[in-house]
Amino acid sequence: AQKITQTQPGMFVQEKEAVTLDCTYDTSDPSYGLFWYKQPSSGEMIFLIYQGSYDQQNATEGRYSLNFQKARKSANLVISASQLGDSAMYFCAMREGDRTGANNLFFGTGTRLTVIP
Amino acid sequence: NAGVMQNPRHLVRRRGQEARLRCSPMKGHSHVYWYRQLPEEGLKFMVYLQKENIIDESGMPKERFSAEFPKEGPSILRIQQVVRGDSAAYFCASSPPVGAGEQFFGPGTRLTVL
Repeated sequence: AQKITQTQPGMFVQEKEAVTLDCTYDTSDPSYGLFWYKQPSSGEMIFLIYQGSYDQQNATEGRYSLNFQKARKSANLVISASQLGDSAMYFCAMREGDRTGANNLFFGTGTRLTVIP
Repeated sequence: NAGVMQNPRHLVRRRGQEARLRCSPMKGHSHVYWYRQLPEEGLKFMVYLQKENIIDESGMPKERFSAEFPKEGPSILRIQQVVRGDSAAYFCASSPPVGAGEQFFGPGTRLTVL
């Protein structure tokens, strides 16, 4: 079974609108971390936001927020007030276990977001 | 504070040659990870190292691939006798010894095997 599933290969959003990128995860470990990364056309991977499995509140970082629904095992990324520079691939990733264990990340297949002027 | 450095950014090799990819983690980071990204796919974990130790190499092919992170100097991912299927982007990431475990990525090395 896939550990991270991103079901939207591509998304379009009008500039200044909000957009939600979906991510579901699969783990039996009670301790885990969820991450979102942005990969623009230049290829680098940019860390956006993190949510820990025991965090009570949804993570927010500027225009990025993470809609964490633990019972549904979903960790959707919400980008508010989209900008042209937000056009990129977006990857959801998960770390199983707590920080002291093996920390490799499992990545989804990504969602390509295009912001329309 | 410089980010994760990788070199070269682009590497072209002919089948059968060796490829050496280098990664210098961020200052203060003691954990290094290597990932491979095939075109139009997500990143796949290869190996996790700390200084002079391989912690987890479960994602690395058993043959032709090796990795090290010596006491001094960068981490090296080595691919011997490259084949066309090795063509991919190889990313290195590092993380600090404490924190949430967020990994900061280098710009990647794009390997093309002719």
